[in-house]
Amino acid sequence: DGGITQSPKYLFRKEGQNVTLSCEQNLNHDAMYWYRQDPGQGLRLIYYSQIVNDFQKGDIAEGYSVSREKKESFPLTVTSAQKNPTAFYLCASSIGGAVDSPLHFGNGTRLTVT
Amino acid sequence: QKEVEQDPGPLSVPEGAIVSLNCTYSNSAFQYFMWYRQYSRKGPELLMYTYSSGNKEDGRFTAQVDKSSKYISLFIRDSQPSDSATYLCAMSPILTGGGNKLTFGTGTQLKVEL
Repeated sequence: DGGITQSPKYLFRKEGQNVTLSCEQNLNHDAMYWYRQDPGQGLRLIYYSQIVNDFQKGDIAEGYSVSREKKESFPLTVTSAQKNPTAFYLCASSIGGAVDSPLHFGNGTRLTVT
Repeated sequence: QKEVEQDPGPLSVPEGAIVSLNCTYSNSAFQYFMWYRQYSRKGPELLMYTYSSGNKEDGRFTAQVDKSSKYISLFIRDSQPSDSATYLCAMSPILTGGGNKLTFGTGTQLKVEL
């Protein structure tokens, strides 16, 4: 079955540590996205990539970094510079980067930083 | 004021009821409108997708867009306990400056009771 796999499902880290969240898709989609979901707030875009080896900042990129070395993979690193890293992180993909390409989401990684 | 407003609920209805979920928005440039369903601890899944104004029906689900009022609705007929989830509206203008960058509502939590 095609889909988006995010791992791990739950992640715990100490403050000051960098952590990398994995996102893999086998849908052959060109575009991939990272969103953050917090209670009482809509999903907010962190980074997106429309093509391999290229990515752009979203609305809340500070404290995060990404890479897109392969079409199927788009890992997100939450750095120690991110002031409020505890959140539910969602990876998504779409066939193309245009607005008429609906997003398909993974099942998320819940990150807790203490 | 947020660009997209959505009542967080929770909304509790008896099985078989007609459910009405709504979002209002302020950006008149929004042209693409989506509804996602999100079960607890899962990623959102696309339910309905409409362009510009009008109605769209898919089984028990009907999406309505009223651009003159900047108001969109999702109706669920013959609601089932399996419809219990959080429903997110999302929208986008035609031109985003790159990428499929959606603006999400905060989600309405729906519970359908036996």
